[in-house]
Amino acid sequence: QSVLTQPPSVSAAPGQKVTISCSGTSSNIGNNYVSWYQHFPGTVPKLLIYDDNKRPSGIPDRFSGSKSGTSVTLAITGLQTGDEADYYCGAWDDSLSGVVLGGGTKLTVL
Amino acid sequence: QVQLVESGGGVVQPGRSLRLSCAASGFTFNGYTMQWVRQTPGKGLEWVALITYDGSRKYYGDSVKGRFTISRDNSKNTLYLQTNSLRPEDTGFYYCARTDGDWSRLDYWGQGTLVTVSS
Repeated sequence: QSVLTQPPSVSAAPGQKVTISCSGTSSNIGNNYVSWYQHFPGTVPKLLIYDDNKRPSGIPDRFSGSKSGTSVTLAITGLQTGDEADYYCGAWDDSLSGVVLGGGTKLTVL
Repeated sequence: QVQLVESGGGVVQPGRSLRLSCAASGFTFNGYTMQWVRQTPGKGLEWVALITYDGSRKYYGDSVKGRFTISRDNSKNTLYLQTNSLRPEDTGFYYCARTDGDWSRLDYWGQGTLVTVSS
């Protein structure tokens, strides 16, 4: 069981918007920055969002992050079939003294 | 450009050891915190270990604490993960990753090295 809680799966139609939630505690999300990763099976994970809501260069603005208290949300607009992947949130945990990751959310673009 | 190349994976019996390496290039290695993350079959990503830029601080995930040791040789631009007392549940791809700023921010990843623990 992961320290950060994500829904196992989400789905939406091409062109639509989807959100992926990630819930934690004051020891992690509530007190530290959150990053999001996109992972296509068999490939290397890619950093999508860092510092809660910043995008690395090359990441389209269709991807955005937000935070409220001990939860964060990844939003993807203008969904494309190429967005089908697993998405993970991560944060440093002050109590565990380690990085904690969510269990991952599988995005299906119908 | 930034490159991280892992090596050292393989097939090993339960209880045995492996030393994984990650050769870094294209950036000032001794200026960055580095980490290991793994993906085990049928499961998601799992954080394994972190070492600060100078090696002064090391942190481990609960599932590997006491069995795995992270280290680095800044003169060789290389990160290591000594994995001891391996278990079947340690089977998976092991990735090294560079940390930039906040410790959850892994901006570059290697291609991974596969560790298979089986009798």
